[in-house]
Amino acid sequence: KQEVTQIPAALSVPEGENLVLNCSFTDSAIYNLQWFRQDPGKGLTSLLLIQSSQREQTSGRLNASLDKSSGRSTLYIAASQPGDSATYLCAVITSGTYKYIFGTGTRLKVLA
Amino acid sequence: NAGVMQNPRHLVRRRGQEARLRCSPMKGHSHVYWYRQLPEEGLKFMVYLQKENIIDESGMPKERFSAEFPKEGPSILRIQQVVRGDSAAYFCASSPERRGMNTEAFFGQGTRLTVV
Repeated sequence: KQEVTQIPAALSVPEGENLVLNCSFTDSAIYNLQWFRQDPGKGLTSLLLIQSSQREQTSGRLNASLDKSSGRSTLYIAASQPGDSATYLCAVITSGTYKYIFGTGTRLKVLA
Repeated sequence: NAGVMQNPRHLVRRRGQEARLRCSPMKGHSHVYWYRQLPEEGLKFMVYLQKENIIDESGMPKERFSAEFPKEGPSILRIQQVVRGDSAAYFCASSPERRGMNTEAFFGQGTRLTVV
């Protein structure tokens, strides 16, 4: 049974810092891994999708890496800004299924 | 091309009433998924539907919950005789085809159900 864990659960950093959010999953047979952002009371915004054959994806100040063999992904945020404050969710699709399995998220607060 | 549309965004129901949550998938998408996010918990899969078919409802509570995706119109998640424990955010996602390596699902803004 696929399980997704995200650490840390919460993170508070001063503006301008580079930071790393971690995601681990127990079953390495995945189709893809996706990072989402969720603002309080709002929906999910897709940030980056990494297919199982890829090792990383980049979008602006965000870079996500995937190491299937170790069951890990990291989301790197460069030069953090207060507007980056949100909950970041990691989700995987296990091969042969279609369900997202979500982690419980990392609540990020970037202080001005 | 509008995204996945869910309505209402917020819904308040008294215990024992019925809640109906609607989801209109993105244009051209024929697959719909419902997820539930309980307070302080991650999103959990509930049900997967294609037009007029329930493909997988393994995440749905056995009682009081039902879902449909008719040939015409939005997908409906229906909760009968709501209880306080049903209070949660319900998210809908849609995709154009059966999920595979090169597809992704797109999520709506969610419906926040509060049972008082």
